[in-house]
Amino acid sequence: GEDVEQSLFLSVREGDSSVINCTYTDSSSTYLYWYKQEPGAGLQLLTYIFSNMDMKQDQRLTVLLNKKDKHLSLRIADTQTGDSAIYFCAESRASFGNEKLTFGTGTRLTIIP
Amino acid sequence: EAEVAQSPRYKITEKSQAVAFWCDPISGHATLYWYRQILGQGPELLVQFQDESVVDDSQLPKDRFSAERLKGVDSTLKIQPAELGDSAMYLCASSDDPLRGETQYFGPGTRLLVL
Repeated sequence: GEDVEQSLFLSVREGDSSVINCTYTDSSSTYLYWYKQEPGAGLQLLTYIFSNMDMKQDQRLTVLLNKKDKHLSLRIADTQTGDSAIYFCAESRASFGNEKLTFGTGTRLTIIP
Repeated sequence: EAEVAQSPRYKITEKSQAVAFWCDPISGHATLYWYRQILGQGPELLVQFQDESVVDDSQLPKDRFSAERLKGVDSTLKIQPAELGDSAMYLCASSDDPLRGETQYFGPGTRLLVL
């Protein structure tokens, strides 16, 4: 099948930058997303990028998109303990006339004090 | 702030029993989604509704799973009979624009454990 791939774990010291990587599969995806999931909770949309962009910045979050390599990354500046969570990237695919989200396996971000 | 509501939050059942989950989307959202999230994986779409109609149920195991949204508002997902492999988090999401994935808002989920 076609998978959206992420590394499973990332540990970062508090105050450092975190970089979470994702490789997606569908070159025709129009949007790519980053979601955050805290323990026992649903998914919270953090940010998204349109496929014709290569970078988007939103406060401490920076998204980089390399469309040629189908590589997406999320950089969190000045990582805080509240950033501990699982981060999912997702690509959108046209399906039955709608946008269908396909999620990666998630990266668990652990903050080291 | 409006939220997607789900109940129950946790459910423990024995295999072969029937279980049902409920979702109340954000008011005015015509599109409703049910996802299944197996531990250690990302969510996978089970079924999508537009109002009361099913738009996509290609990944729904129809021999045991059913979903309905009779009045186009709240929705119920049922599993009968439950199997051990159904243990997962079941997430509901709603949207006011199915063409824009960023408009999907997720509920807190129902965590199902089948013994």
